[in-house]
Amino acid sequence: DQQVKQNSPSLSVQEGRISILNCDYTNSMFDYFLWYKKYPAEGPTFLISISSIKDKNEDGRFTVFLNKSAKHLSLHIVPSQPGDSAVYFCAARNTGTASKLTFGTGTRLQVTL
Amino acid sequence: KAGVTQTPRYLIKTRGQQVTLSCSPISGHRSVSWYQQTPGQGLQFLFEYFSETQRNKGNFPGRFSGRQFSNSRSEMNVSTLELGDSALYLCASSPGTAEKLFFGSGTQLSVL
Repeated sequence: DQQVKQNSPSLSVQEGRISILNCDYTNSMFDYFLWYKKYPAEGPTFLISISSIKDKNEDGRFTVFLNKSAKHLSLHIVPSQPGDSAVYFCAARNTGTASKLTFGTGTRLQVTL
Repeated sequence: KAGVTQTPRYLIKTRGQQVTLSCSPISGHRSVSWYQQTPGQGLQFLFEYFSETQRNKGNFPGRFSGRQFSNSRSEMNVSTLELGDSALYLCASSPGTAEKLFFGSGTQLSVL
């Protein structure tokens, strides 16, 4: 049962344009959401997070939007840069098991010149 | 501050063997979690240890086990290896809860 879904396995965006990565979840007990970025042969690195009491969080070029009624979150990268090319994982934390994250299957972003 | 260190980086084993993976968390972090990454499956939670106690466990068979030592270092053991155990095993540490996990580079296990 995939509680966190990233339905787009890959995305290609031109440099300078906006990248939008989407994530859907089914568990209404999730209270905290995170995005991780992963390069080949490296572990995932934390990018940005949002609490369920907010609907937007911004950090430089990265913004995460949360729509609780739709159980949907998205990551916006503006402007996209070639160094952003990586696999992006959406993850969620359950209030009942605060030390565990449930991850999506990832979206591979390629930023082209 | 040194990051999360996982050893070995690569491992090749044959079916039926057992394997032990090691993880040293960031200094001061008391929580260590283990995740399995396979193509198309994302990261699947294995278990989490906090102050030498298993605090959370994922849906993996009993062949997967772990432990944490008093210095917060952790080991993960897989017994009676199966072909399907081939994966990248990631260790992550945090001060306590999972607001932000810091991951190591992983151990790539291949079972032949």
